[in-house]
This record gives sequence, structure tokens and C-alpha cells, in this order.
Amino acid sequence: QKEVEQDPGPLSVPEGAIVSLNCTYSNSAFQYFMWYRQYSRKGPELLMYTYSSGNKEDGRFTAQVDKSSKYISLFIRDSQPSDSATYLCAMSAGNNDMRFGAGTRLTVKP
Amino acid sequence: SQTIHQWPATLVQPVGSPLSLECTVEGTSNPNLYWYRQAAGRGLQLLFYSVGIGQISSEVPQNLSASRPQDRQFILSSKKLLLSDSGFYLCAWSVLVRGGYTFGSGTRLTVV
Repeated sequence: QKEVEQDPGPLSVPEGAIVSLNCTYSNSAFQYFMWYRQYSRKGPELLMYTYSSGNKEDGRFTAQVDKSSKYISLFIRDSQPSDSATYLCAMSAGNNDMRFGAGTRLTVKP
Repeated sequence: SQTIHQWPATLVQPVGSPLSLECTVEGTSNPNLYWYRQAAGRGLQLLFYSVGIGQISSEVPQNLSASRPQDRQFILSSKKLLLSDSGFYLCAWSVLVRGGYTFGSGTRLTVV
């Protein structure tokens, strides 16, 4: 079993749709959870950073962490064509041990 | 503000040739530095990280090495490239060890 599992997609939605991206993990020591957005041929950029369980909202983006289920989610409201990218989940126990999911490729069609 | 520079953007090298990729960070002191490799359809694989000058930790034994000759400079090297070394190489930095890295723009390496 991989330490971090993420459905690679691809996921295609119409503009304005709500997008749900998810990851599961197996290491219960993970406490810090992140979502990165990566455009084609570019480096990933940090979108959301959360600690432990709970929700965090930033504009159209909401990150959820459920440590009891070892499950994290990223929701994108009112999706835009500019949101088309690969989204990577990442998590860490806090000691240079960050692990990434394989990434989900999202396309938002106008 | 902090910036990270990584070059070159693309590189095509023959099998058996040497490799040197450079990464520099501006606007911060004593950053944690990382080299990752990303293969198509796969997640990022941590290759090396460094918490200070001359301090290198290797995650996966392979045909690569890293060095940190200066506080904000991180170099990825190989003496003889293999076909399997092809991939997208990313440098990153952070102040904290718990994540939230800032990545460079990457180098796409093709070994032929």
C-alpha cells in the first residue's frame, strides 16, 4: 500500500462546477497537510496548508482533514478555466518527511 | 521577498555524460533545501535534503549526489547519467521542516 493515495483522474468539469479532490494516507503520524497546484511544465505552488483535523477556507478553496479516517479533501467552488492544472496532496509528520500524492489532473471547460 | 532560481529549464544529455543542476535561493538565510524528481503520472520523489552547509541527507540511493557549498546554493550532480535518470527535477526550500515548501520552476532532463 502506498503511503499516500490520490486518484490521478483526469477529471473534467464545466466552468462554475464544484470540484472535489481527495487523498487517503496510511501513516497516522502525519499532522501537516498541504495541497499544491501545478501547471504544465511548472513547479508546484502551495495552495493550502492545514494542521491536524478540521477545515480551512481561502477564497474559493476549502481544505478538509479527517485524521480519524486518514482522508483529506480540497474543494474548489465556482471553478474557472484558470483552475485547470494538476493538484497534488502532500503531508508530513514534521521532520523533512513530506510525502506527495501522484496528483489529479483537472480540466475546467468554459 | 524570497525567490528561488533553478536552471537550466530543459536539458538533453547522452547516457554516460555528467550532470550538474544548480538551485539558488534569495531573500532568506539558512533555508532547508530539497531536490525532488517527478516522473510522468507519479508523485514527487524526494532525492536529497539539506538543513545546512555541507549537510546532505539522501532519501533514495541512486546514481545522483548533492552538495551545498554555500548557504543558499544546492547542486544536484551525476558522474554518469543513466536512461532512468530522465525526469522533471525540482528544487525547493522551506524555513520549517514540517512542509509548505516553495518550489523552483524545474528542469526537464532527457537522457538519450
